[in-house]
Amino acid sequence: DTEVTQTPKHLVMGMTNKKSLKCEQHMGHRAMYWYKQKAKKPPELMFVYSYEKLSINESVPSRFSPECPNSSLLNLHLHALQPEDSALYLCASSQERGSLGRGTEAFFGQGTRLTVV
Amino acid sequence: SQQGEEDPQALSIQEGENATMNCSYKTSINNLQWYRQNSGRGLVHLILIRSNEREKHSGRLRVTLDTSKKSSSLLITASRAADTASYFCATPYTGANSKLTFGKGITLSVRP
Repeated sequence: DTEVTQTPKHLVMGMTNKKSLKCEQHMGHRAMYWYKQKAKKPPELMFVYSYEKLSINESVPSRFSPECPNSSLLNLHLHALQPEDSALYLCASSQERGSLGRGTEAFFGQGTRLTVV
Repeated sequence: SQQGEEDPQALSIQEGENATMNCSYKTSINNLQWYRQNSGRGLVHLILIRSNEREKHSGRLRVTLDTSKKSSSLLITASRAADTASYFCATPYTGANSKLTFGKGITLSVRP
């Protein structure tokens, strides 16, 4: 199974809502990533988890709160978002944090299309 | 910050023609990867080329790497309408803290 599954596929939320995005992989990967992608732009890295510990936070506002409950799951908790946070949120995984540099690929989910109203 | 910069930004060709996309990067790399994205959905890995390789093939894909010029090219031969997508080059930073950084991307349209 080389799949990264993200739920939900679409999410509309108000600025006062709290919601969560979920990501799951069963490839035994120990690094998981959250990316944000605006229309016609490349994905931008938000967070990296390595062995269930947060290893990189790319100065993301605290209204985004990541969580890695176990090696297969990655959540992104959303609270008090702004309309400019509307984007495609992509989850990805790789064998481990250093494996991309050594020549392995990242596997991406299909993303969650988030609209903040 | 973006590591890779692709050109052209948009490319429109007829089915059956070849499509060539270029990518330049700034820092030293161990490998360079190309990904494809259909209609704003997930990215799919296409091909990886290591820094000690100059050329690599996979089906209708051919990728080249010139580390002296810090550039790579992706050639799709005999294009099909189904190749219509956005294509990104991506470079992982070396070392334990590796993370993928994507270029701006190229939008390829293949006309039937």
